[in-house]
Amino acid sequence: AQSVTQLDSHVSVSEGTPVLLRCNYSSSYSPSLFWYVQHPNKGLQLLLKYTSAATLVKGINGFEAEFKKSETSFHLTKPSAHMSDAAEYFCVVSDRAGGTSYGKLTFGQGTILTVHP
Amino acid sequence: KAGVTQTPRYLIKTRGQQVTLSCSPISGHRSVSWYQQTPGQGLQFLFEYFSETQRNKGNFPGRFSGRQFSNSRSEMNVSTLELGDSALYLCASRVGVGTGELFFGEGSRLTVL
Repeated sequence: AQSVTQLDSHVSVSEGTPVLLRCNYSSSYSPSLFWYVQHPNKGLQLLLKYTSAATLVKGINGFEAEFKKSETSFHLTKPSAHMSDAAEYFCVVSDRAGGTSYGKLTFGQGTILTVHP
Repeated sequence: KAGVTQTPRYLIKTRGQQVTLSCSPISGHRSVSWYQQTPGQGLQFLFEYFSETQRNKGNFPGRFSGRQFSNSRSEMNVSTLELGDSALYLCASRVGVGTGELFFGEGSRLTVL
């Protein structure tokens, strides 16, 4: 079985300050992990993905995430927030091999990021 | 390369009616998934189709159904609409089942009155 927990439902930062969105996962098999972003009334856009290569993954718009197996975490960070980063962010886990959930993606509940001027 | 296209983008129905939503995946993608998004429940997986066969299924009642055509286009149908079916329905495509990330359309927003 797989699951994902986004530890904060809302995060508020000032423009130019760092962003940290936290995600913990549970997976019976080697997972793939993703972060998606959703702007209001839009579909989801892939920010970055981890599929067992480098544990530090760089994505679009300056975001990156680090896969930490010992902590079962995949936190999303950005050094300096921009007003355009205000959106909802989803952490996603997928079992890459084996099990009845093979190929099935499980989404976290989302974290709404607010960026203040 | 065209993205995932969903139609219609917005629609309003009344309780008891049925609705059909359409999704055209990215060219070359053979897997199509459907999700329901509501403020209270978040993103919930409905089903995934690959090569015209349902491969994965979420925990929704039988009123929710789908199908996939030979050109990989997919439709989902909701019968006997209830107020609680009001949601953003998102379609996503990927190359195949178990092969990585999903590419999402912009969604169909259904309002049930």
